[in-house]
Amino acid sequence: AQKITQTQPGMFVQEKEAVTLDCTYDTSDQSYGLFWYKQPSSGEMIFLIYQGSYDEQNATEGRYSLNFQKARKSANLVISASQLGDSAMYFCAMREGRGSARQLTFGSGTQLTVLP
Amino acid sequence: GAVVSQHPSRVICKSGTSVKIECRSLDFQATTMFWYRQFPKQSLMLMATSNEGSKATYEQGVEKDKFLINHASLTLSTLTVTSAHPEDSSFYICSARDPGQSRGVTGELFFGEGSRLTVL
Repeated sequence: AQKITQTQPGMFVQEKEAVTLDCTYDTSDQSYGLFWYKQPSSGEMIFLIYQGSYDEQNATEGRYSLNFQKARKSANLVISASQLGDSAMYFCAMREGRGSARQLTFGSGTQLTVLP
Repeated sequence: GAVVSQHPSRVICKSGTSVKIECRSLDFQATTMFWYRQFPKQSLMLMATSNEGSKATYEQGVEKDKFLINHASLTLSTLTVTSAHPEDSSFYICSARDPGQSRGVTGELFFGEGSRLTVL
């Protein structure tokens, strides 16, 4: 079974509008972390936001917020006031278990295009 | 913040030759580094976990004799693609863990810029 599922291969949003990128995950661990990364065409991975499994509040970082619904095992990324520079590939990722030395498992990604 | 640098960013080589990609942590000591591979329009797939001073741990299906990983110092891990073939053409990206980051897991994993390998 896929550990991280991103069901939207591509998304379009009008500039200045908000957009939600979906992510569901599968784990039997009680302790885990969820991440979102942005990958522009240049290839680098840019960390956006993190949510821990024990965090009671949804994470927010500037225009990014994470809609964490633990019972549904979903961790959707919300980008408010989209900008042209937000056009990129977005990956949801998970790290399972305790210990920060564990690797990340990535979803298949969502290509976001912001329209002027 | 912590910086991870990869070199080269792009490399083109002939089939049968070997290529070395370096991953350096510039302002912290990385005891653990991860090597990922990404095909066009696809996700990042973990290839191996590189541990300083010990052998790398390879993911299932990754040929350790083909993808040699060396983590000889706390700031450098190298990936050598031996006897490269066109099917090895891909984007290789490393990430490093900064054990000194105080903000829990959030800031501990940093990615290099990636290396695009093309094998002719």
